[in-house]
Amino acid sequence: QKEVEQDPGPLSVPEGAIVSLNCTYSNSAFQYFMWYRQYSRKGPELLMYTYSSGNKEDGRFTAQVDKSSKYISLFIRDSQPSDSATYLCAMRDQTGANNLFFGTGTRLTVIP
Amino acid sequence: ETGVTQSPTHLIKTRGQQVTLRCSSQSGHNTVSWYQQALGQGPQFIFQYYREEENGRGNFPPRFSGLQFPNYSSELNVNALELDDSALYLCASSFGGLVQETQYFGPGTRLLVL
Repeated sequence: QKEVEQDPGPLSVPEGAIVSLNCTYSNSAFQYFMWYRQYSRKGPELLMYTYSSGNKEDGRFTAQVDKSSKYISLFIRDSQPSDSATYLCAMRDQTGANNLFFGTGTRLTVIP
Repeated sequence: ETGVTQSPTHLIKTRGQQVTLRCSSQSGHNTVSWYQQALGQGPQFIFQYYREEENGRGNFPPRFSGLQFPNYSSELNVNALELDDSALYLCASSFGGLVQETQYFGPGTRLLVL
């Protein structure tokens, strides 16, 4: 079993839709949770960074962490064609090495 | 503030050869992590360097090695290349102290092994 599971999609939605992306994980030591966006043939770009449980909002993006269920989500409101990309969840524990554990990524296409 | 840069952008090698990839970290960052991203997969942690010392390693064989220089730039070296080493190699920099901060990724080097 992988430490981080993510539905690879692909996911296609019409412009303006609300998008929900999810990851589950097995390691209860994970404390820091991130969402990265990766355009084709580019490096991942940090979107959201959350510590422990709770919600965080930044513009059209909302990140949720439920540590009791080992489940994290990213919501995108009023989706735009420019949101078309692969979304990677990532997480780590509190050890000094700071290595990130990634999901496989969900490929999202927003159709104009 | 400059971002993370990597060179070269693309590289083609043959099986058995050796390769060196380079990374310049973001201004003010003292920690560099390297990841391998196979096609259709998430990045996998190779190792991390903090103040020129290896500070953690993932499940990669010893033929994957690295260096960090006094200016915090870094190299990833891979010896005896195998076909499965074909991937996007990502470098990420961060500021490490008592608590490691968020990692910021470069654009990656795409390696093809024939």
